[in-house]
Amino acid sequence: AQSVAQPEDQVNVAEGNPLTVKCTYSVSGNPYLFWYVQYPNRGLQFLLKYITGDNLVKGSYGFEAEFNKSQTSFHLKKPSALVSDSALYFCAVRVIGYQKVTFGIGTKLQVIP
Amino acid sequence: DAGVIQSPRHEVTEMGQEVTLRCKPISGHDYLFWYRQTMMRGLELLIYFNNNVPIDDSGMPEDRFSAKMPNASFSTLKIQPSEPRDSAVYFCASSWDRGAGELFFGEGSRLTVL
Repeated sequence: AQSVAQPEDQVNVAEGNPLTVKCTYSVSGNPYLFWYVQYPNRGLQFLLKYITGDNLVKGSYGFEAEFNKSQTSFHLKKPSALVSDSALYFCAVRVIGYQKVTFGIGTKLQVIP
Repeated sequence: DAGVIQSPRHEVTEMGQEVTLRCKPISGHDYLFWYRQTMMRGLELLIYFNNNVPIDDSGMPEDRFSAKMPNASFSTLKIQPSEPRDSAVYFCASSWDRGAGELFFGEGSRLTVL
């Protein structure tokens, strides 16, 4: 079984400040980890992924995420938030060798001008 | 490529009616997934296909739901008969069997059953 937890329903941050959106996961096996973003009335868009190697991965729009195996976490970060970053963010996990992707419940990011 | 294409974008129907949602995946992708999104339950995987063959349909809620993929460029999700609790946004996504296989999502079909 695999699962993803996003402990915060909503994260508020002031424009220009760093942001963090938290994600922890549980899998039996080695994971692939993903972050997706969803804007209102749109489909999910892929942001970044962790496969193997460097624990800090960089993705689209200046986002990055840090993989921590001991804490089974994959937090999304950005050094300086923009108002346009306001959206719904989903963490997802897939076990290597299997195609089924499990998503977290999503975290609403609100960047305040 | 135009991305994953879903139709219709919006569907309003009455309880008991048949609903058919359609999806055209990205050309060359091996996998196709159907997800349902609601406020209460988030994103739920309903079924996925590999090379047009259903692999895992354990997420299909009940016998009223069925999905087919007659060829590599087309899939349907059918609900018959529809019920108000089926109201949700239904997403189709596709991916290939390379690397981490990130998903490419369509814009979704918003279904309202009255």
